[in-house]
Amino acid sequence: NAGVTQTPKFQVLKTGQSMTLQCAQDMNHEYMSWYRQDPGMGLRLIHYSVGAGITDQGEVPNGYNVSRSTTEDFPLRLLSAAPSQTSVYFCASTETAAYNEQFFGPGTRLTVL
Amino acid sequence: GDSVTQMEGPVTLSEEAFLTINCTYTATGYPSLFWYVQYPGEGLQLLLKATKADDKGSNKGFEATYRKETTSFHLEKGSVQVSDSAVYFCALSDQGFQKLVFGTGTRLLVSP
Repeated sequence: NAGVTQTPKFQVLKTGQSMTLQCAQDMNHEYMSWYRQDPGMGLRLIHYSVGAGITDQGEVPNGYNVSRSTTEDFPLRLLSAAPSQTSVYFCASTETAAYNEQFFGPGTRLTVL
Repeated sequence: GDSVTQMEGPVTLSEEAFLTINCTYTATGYPSLFWYVQYPGEGLQLLLKATKADDKGSNKGFEATYRKETTSFHLEKGSVQVSDSAVYFCALSDQGFQKLVFGTGTRLLVSP
């Protein structure tokens, strides 16, 4: 069991570039989510998915898109990167809504110049 | 809206010292409460949880009690080790997994 995997680990972008952060889990979890972690602000929810084909917005969704075509994968797309999106991004998954225990990936550190 | 407030860090302790990291919360319902730990360069791991008032969560020598009357969930450990150095996040979940609300995190530094 690899758990939750994220790629890349590090990425540097220029303002206006687009990219996709990959997230995959092999635990057959229905629920997946993306968080960003900023100094002094803890983790904030960007988008989440309750199953394949279903996504919804979290607390800070602007500038990000997601899709969920399979149970395993939940990519996060930055359409036009901005310096304010410099952050560490974590993907998480959980088995059922009632469980409330989330398993986190190792994170992607993104810098936008 | 829901929120979690943690004590500012860093908390610096010597090995075998007693640890307390304060956490208070504001929620409209009856949330579940969590402590997550983040070791350097890694993602978050669940340390312990409590799902109702007066529950005590415990793991690896850490414990926290869900106090509804004081809306608190303070993390304690009787004797810290150097390997406990990490960032600790208090969190709550009020409406299912998608509403996990985190505090800002408290960095713990333990010296030999």
